[in-house]
Amino acid sequence: QKEVEQNSGPLSVPEGAIASLNCTYSDRGSQSFFWYRQYSGKSPELIMSIYSNGDKEDGRFTAQLNKASQYVSLLIRDSQPSDSATYLCAAQGGNKLTFGGGTRVLVKP
Amino acid sequence: GAVVSQHPSRVICKSGTSVKIECRSLDFQATTMFWYRQFPKQSLMLMATSNEGSKATYEQGVEKDKFLINHASLTLSTLTVTSAHPEDSSFYICSATREADTQYFGPGTRLTVL
Repeated sequence: QKEVEQNSGPLSVPEGAIASLNCTYSDRGSQSFFWYRQYSGKSPELIMSIYSNGDKEDGRFTAQLNKASQYVSLLIRDSQPSDSATYLCAAQGGNKLTFGGGTRVLVKP
Repeated sequence: GAVVSQHPSRVICKSGTSVKIECRSLDFQATTMFWYRQFPKQSLMLMATSNEGSKATYEQGVEKDKFLINHASLTLSTLTVTSAHPEDSSFYICSATREADTQYFGPGTRLTVL
């Protein structure tokens, strides 16, 4: 059974702070990793994709991948109230995505 | 680019009726389309994978005779929930791949079965 694990939260961060989200996966055959943001009642929106070990930065977001530890993380810098959402981590093996349960983030003004 | 639409966005139906949901890739040809279901406060669960012109591949535990998938073209896939029951009420989301791996999601369809 392929699994992706996330802390469900909520992760409460003050506005302007850094939000740090973590994700672990069980399938060592996973090649690609994705972070999606999902607002309540809406479908997921792609934030970042990462394929190789190390960091990848895109604006206020930084994804980190460590395949040896089977660990993916997402940092959100300068958190804004509009970042309040559920963040889904997904691992891809073949053409299928396996999603974690999501971490709910609350950014407080 | 990479816009995926779904129709309808919301549907309410009576128990025992069938409901069809359309998923379209608007600005690209999708090699593969996927159908997910999401219950409240749960994550997305893959129901089936669909390639144009071939039969869909269903995940374990998903009834293929109940959830009919037709992938008529490279831009259109449909999901028909047959003989819907209240336990089928859920948020149904499709996605499509343009490149080798990135999935782009439609806005979802909220199904309520009375």
